[in-house]
Amino acid sequence: AQKITQTQPGMFVQEKEAVTLDCTYDTSDPSYGLFWYKQPSSGEMIFLIYQGSYDQQNATEGRYSLNFQKARKSANLVISASQLGDSAMYFCAMREGQWTSYDKVIFGPGTSLSVIP
Amino acid sequence: EAGVAQSPRYKIIEKRQSVAFWCNPISGHATLYWYQQILGQGPKLLIQFQNNGVVDDSQLPKDRFSAERLKGVDSTLKIQPAKLEDSAVYLCASSPEWGNTIYFGEGSWLTVV
Repeated sequence: AQKITQTQPGMFVQEKEAVTLDCTYDTSDPSYGLFWYKQPSSGEMIFLIYQGSYDQQNATEGRYSLNFQKARKSANLVISASQLGDSAMYFCAMREGQWTSYDKVIFGPGTSLSVIP
Repeated sequence: EAGVAQSPRYKIIEKRQSVAFWCNPISGHATLYWYQQILGQGPKLLIQFQNNGVVDDSQLPKDRFSAERLKGVDSTLKIQPAKLEDSAVYLCASSPEWGNTIYFGEGSWLTVV
């Protein structure tokens, strides 16, 4: 069974500093993908970054990078140079399989990030 | 490219009433998802369609929830009769057959009083 754990219900970070949001997952499928989404108070889910289980390098997208440690089954999101607009809920999600239309995408419980001026 | 469209955005109903939510996915996306997100929690998958066939509906409360995707495009999620615990945001999402993400609509906020 799939499972996503995010152990930090809430985090605070000073503006312009870096922050790491934790995510661990559980799967027995060797093929899977990991996602991070941002959800501001307005409610929309914004895709941030994706990491495939066979990708050799950690994914990066602008100020977002994914610290992928396969043996530990962790996929932590690192946000560099935090901005006030980064204050939001952050969700880790996983998809098992080699990206077919039959694969489910499940989400973790989320981490609330607050950026302090 | 137009995003995932959902309506209505907000709905308030009394318990035991019915409600229906509509979703129009991104053009060409074969897979359509309905998620339920209760305040303070992560989204929970209710049902997943591949074209107009159901891939997974294991977490759909079938005694009160139903969903259909006629002609493999638009989808409707219905709740009848609604309970207080159905108060949540109902997120529709879609994904292409090959790709590495799913795209969400803005959500339909349901309050049951």
